[in-house]
Parts: sequence; C-alpha cells; structure tokens
Amino acid sequence: AQSVTQLDSHVSVSEGTPVLLRCNYSSSYSPSLFWYVQHPNKGLQLLLKYTSAATLVKGINGFEAEFKKSETSFHLTKPSAHMSDAAEYFCVVSDRGTSGTYKYIFGTGTRLKVLA
Amino acid sequence: NAGVMQNPRHLVRRRGQEARLRCSPMKGHSHVYWYRQLPEEGLKFMVYLQKENIIDESGMPKERFSAEFPKEGPSILRIQQVVRGDSAAYFCASSLQNTEAFFGQGTRLTVV
Repeated sequence: AQSVTQLDSHVSVSEGTPVLLRCNYSSSYSPSLFWYVQHPNKGLQLLLKYTSAATLVKGINGFEAEFKKSETSFHLTKPSAHMSDAAEYFCVVSDRGTSGTYKYIFGTGTRLKVLA
Repeated sequence: NAGVMQNPRHLVRRRGQEARLRCSPMKGHSHVYWYRQLPEEGLKFMVYLQKENIIDESGMPKERFSAEFPKEGPSILRIQQVVRGDSAAYFCASSLQNTEAFFGQGTRLTVV
C-alpha cells in the first residue's frame, strides 16, 4: 500500500538559514511525488513535482527536492529561509493502486516556523 | 482558465441539517478528489470520482456522507444530519490522470 511519512511535524529555522523538510514514501509502482504548501486559512499551492524525469526537481520560491529511490525519500530543501516561507508543507504521493486507479496520498504535514 | 472553484467558501449549519459543498474542476479535468482537513491536522482522502463514477470512496464515512460528479455540473459532497465533528475544511482537487492535482480554496464548514 502507498504511504507517505513526513518525519517532522514542526521545524523551526532562522531567517536566512537552510530549510530541510523530510519525506519518505512507500509505493508499489513508480510513483509521482509532489510538495504542496498551505498558508494559514488558505488553499494548497503546488511547489514542485517529480514524475520520473530528472531526480532533482526545482520548484517555485527557491525550493527544490531530490528523489532518491534507494532511500525512498523526497526531501524538500531551500538554501535560505524567508519569513514568508512560514506555512504548512505537505508531501504527496500519487500512485496507481491495485484497482488501476490513481490516488493522491498526503503526508500529515510539517509546520515550518521561520524565526527573525 | 479559472482554477478549481469551490463554493461556498464558508458554510455554517446547525446540527441535524444538511451541508452541500460544490466543486467545479478546472476546464478539461475529469478527475475530482475530495479531502477533509480537521483543525491542526493534515488532509485526509475521502473520495475520488471521475465523471458519473465513484472510483474510490475508501475514505468516506459509511453513513451520512455521499459524493457525486454528474455528467454536467459540479461535483457535490453532501453531508446529511451534520454533527459538530463534521466541522472541518473540505478541499476539492481536480486533475488529468496522474498529473498534479490542482486544489480549490476549500469550504470551511462549521456546525453549531
């Protein structure tokens, strides 16, 4: 069965320091992987996606993620945090289940706090 | 091309009433997903629909909840006889098959 594990429920970084949000997945097939960001009381915005092309994926707002099949990981990084990055981040796997249909499975989220 | 449109954005219902949440997918998208987000929690999958078909409803509560995606018109998530525990944000997403899902702004349901 497909699943997504976000290893940290809360991460705090100082402004200008690197961000690392960790995500591990399990999948029976070749998954597509996504990171979404949700600002307070807002909808979800796609940051980046991996769909079996380049393993290092660049997204919006300076974020990037690297797909590592051997580690079943898709960690999200940013070299320098900005105050506006404070939000909830969701790692998502899209996988084909046994019925042949695709389903998006969300991780439980990581709340990023950026300290001035 | 407007994004995924959900309405209403906010919905208040008294216990025992019915709640109807609407979702218009992006133009050309035939796959719709509904998710529920309880306060301080992540998004939980509820149901996946294609036009006129429910593909996967493994996340739907067995009672009071139903969803449809008719040939014409928006997808509807219907909650009958709402209870306080139904208070949550309900997000709809649409996609082409196995591409990224685009999310609506959500409907925040409050049951009083």
